[in-house]
Amino acid sequence: DQQVKQNSPSLSVQEGRISILNCDYTNSMFDYFLWYKKYPAEGPTFLISISSIKDKNEDGRFTVFLNKSAKHLSLHIVPSQPGDSAVYFCAARKDSNYQLIWGAGTKLIIKP
Amino acid sequence: DAGVIQSPRHEVTEMGQEVTLRCKPISGHNSLFWYRQTMMRGLELLIYFNNNVPIDDSGMPEDRFSAKMPNASFSTLKIQPSEPRDSAVYFCASSLTGGNERTFFGQGTRLTVV
Repeated sequence: DQQVKQNSPSLSVQEGRISILNCDYTNSMFDYFLWYKKYPAEGPTFLISISSIKDKNEDGRFTVFLNKSAKHLSLHIVPSQPGDSAVYFCAARKDSNYQLIWGAGTKLIIKP
Repeated sequence: DAGVIQSPRHEVTEMGQEVTLRCKPISGHNSLFWYRQTMMRGLELLIYFNNNVPIDDSGMPEDRFSAKMPNASFSTLKIQPSEPRDSAVYFCASSLTGGNERTFFGQGTRLTVV
């Protein structure tokens, strides 16, 4: 049973436009959500996170939105740049549980 | 700090052979994780150590897989005997706490079992 779902395996966006990556979860006990970015032949690196007590967190070009009622979060990248081309993983953590539950990832391709 | 260091970067082995993957976590981190990434299943947590003690190994696929952490600066993941379906990228990661808020990954070991 996949508790964290990234339903789009890939996404192609024009450079300069907004990229929106989506993530859905099923467990209402999740209290912290993270986005990681992964380049080929490298390990994932932390990008941005959000606590369940917030509905938005912004860091430069990256904004994460959390809709708890819909059990949905999204990552917005604006403007998109060629260096943003990577696989993006959504992850979630349960309260008092150490383990991150990961989505399958979305490959973002920024077209010049 | 050099980050999480994994070796080897690539491993090709024949079915039935023993494979050992190695990891050096970031100095000072007290949590270490072994993950496996495949196209079908994404990132799967195999085992988690806290202060060198295995906390949860429920993600380890079967008895052919074993992991050790003899000290705070070294861990191994062993597969014996290896099978073609074990082919994947194996990541080691470490963090300061078990909460995973800032988990740092190594570059991974790409394992191919033929």
